[in-house]
Amino acid sequence: GQQVMQIPQYQHVQEGEDFTTYCNSSTTLSNIQWYKQRPGGHPVFLIQLVKSGEVKKQKRLTFQFGEAKKNSSLHITATQTTDVGTYFCAGNLGANNLFFGTGTRLTVIP
Amino acid sequence: NAGVTQTPKFQVLKTGQSMTLQCAQDMNHNSMYWYRQDPGMGLRLIYYSASEGTTDKGEVPNGYNVSRLNKREFSLRLESAAPSQTSVYFCASSEGGTGYGYTFGSGTRLTVV
Repeated sequence: GQQVMQIPQYQHVQEGEDFTTYCNSSTTLSNIQWYKQRPGGHPVFLIQLVKSGEVKKQKRLTFQFGEAKKNSSLHITATQTTDVGTYFCAGNLGANNLFFGTGTRLTVIP
Repeated sequence: NAGVTQTPKFQVLKTGQSMTLQCAQDMNHNSMYWYRQDPGMGLRLIYYSASEGTTDKGEVPNGYNVSRLNKREFSLRLESAAPSQTSVYFCASSEGGTGYGYTFGSGTRLTVV
């Protein structure tokens, strides 16, 4: 079946270091979404990427969608303690067909 | 704005008991979803409702039933709870289609003993 793999599963960084999580799909996606879940919280929608090779930025966060629309990445520059949480990618195959990756749990050490 | 409201927040059931998780959204969204979240497995779709009056199975529907009561409300029922259904359950809604992010409720932490 459809799988969306995400690596790494865990990442510990010193505050101020950069962080990247990667997402790979076994099939071509119509788009990809990214979510953040704080500890004990619920997933919160961050962004959606639709076009092949698309790059979007939100302050210190940079999101990329691969040329083949099968992979994506989220890069955080100069992490802060407020970045702590689990970041999920979610690949969209079509309407109501959103498959979530297993997530990357980010810990930021002050 | 309440967004997506789920009740209850916590529940402990004995094996074989039944219960209904409630979900309501006030954003006039067309589509609603039920996910379960287990450690190391991300979020898995149980059932969804693309629009009022329709429901469809997701990735892990066994042991669950759903009802789209109206455009606002989408409930999830466990008829005979099993320990394997111990999980955190999230309801979500969206405009529908592929162009929109999902808005999630705060979740129900369910333990089946």
